[in-house]
Amino acid sequence: ELKVEQNPLFLSMQEGKNYTIYCNYSTTSDRLYWYRQDPGKSLESLFVLLSNGAVKQEGRLMASLDTKARLSTLHITAAVHDLSATYFCAVDPGNDMRFGAGTRLTVKP
Amino acid sequence: DTAVSQTPKYLVTQMGNDKSIKCEQNLGHDTMYWYKQDSKKFLKIMFSYNNKELIINETVPNRFSPKSPDKAHLNLHINSLELGDSAVYFCASSLAGGGRFHEQFFGPGTRLTVL
Repeated sequence: ELKVEQNPLFLSMQEGKNYTIYCNYSTTSDRLYWYRQDPGKSLESLFVLLSNGAVKQEGRLMASLDTKARLSTLHITAAVHDLSATYFCAVDPGNDMRFGAGTRLTVKP
Repeated sequence: DTAVSQTPKYLVTQMGNDKSIKCEQNLGHDTMYWYKQDSKKFLKIMFSYNNKELIINETVPNRFSPKSPDKAHLNLHINSLELGDSAVYFCASSLAGGGRFHEQFFGPGTRLTVL
């Protein structure tokens, strides 16, 4: 069974700091997605990673994919309060779509 | 301008009732999905559907059924509602192809409360 594990599940960090969220998955896949969800809101697509070694950056967020290690990372640089949200990774190995449990990020002044 | 819309936004109903949630997308996508997000924010795919194929998550009770009048709409019908059905239900859509799910665009969600 496909398992997708994110860690940490809860992350409280100060503005200006850097941190990385990890997403491990249990089966072969060359596609991985990162989504953001604000409280009480829908999910917003952040990154689509479609091959081994893919790296994408948007503002203070950078995502990467290592399909051999079955690992994706979401790196946060110089966090700001507006980044506070829940971040989900999702894996699509074909005919299935599995989300991680989400990382609830709180950025404090 | 809304890409993926759902109605209603909130739904409160009694156990045993039958209800439907509607979903429409104007993105020209040909695959649509239903997800359930529980109180712990855990997301689980329930169905994916295009005009050729319905893929059902085998853990979904058969009280849940998707109904698609056309490729821009995928409604979720739920029979004999139970307390455990209380959750937020998200509709999503994407392009299809090659048996892959692709990047999905989510609707605003419907918060279902079963009393």
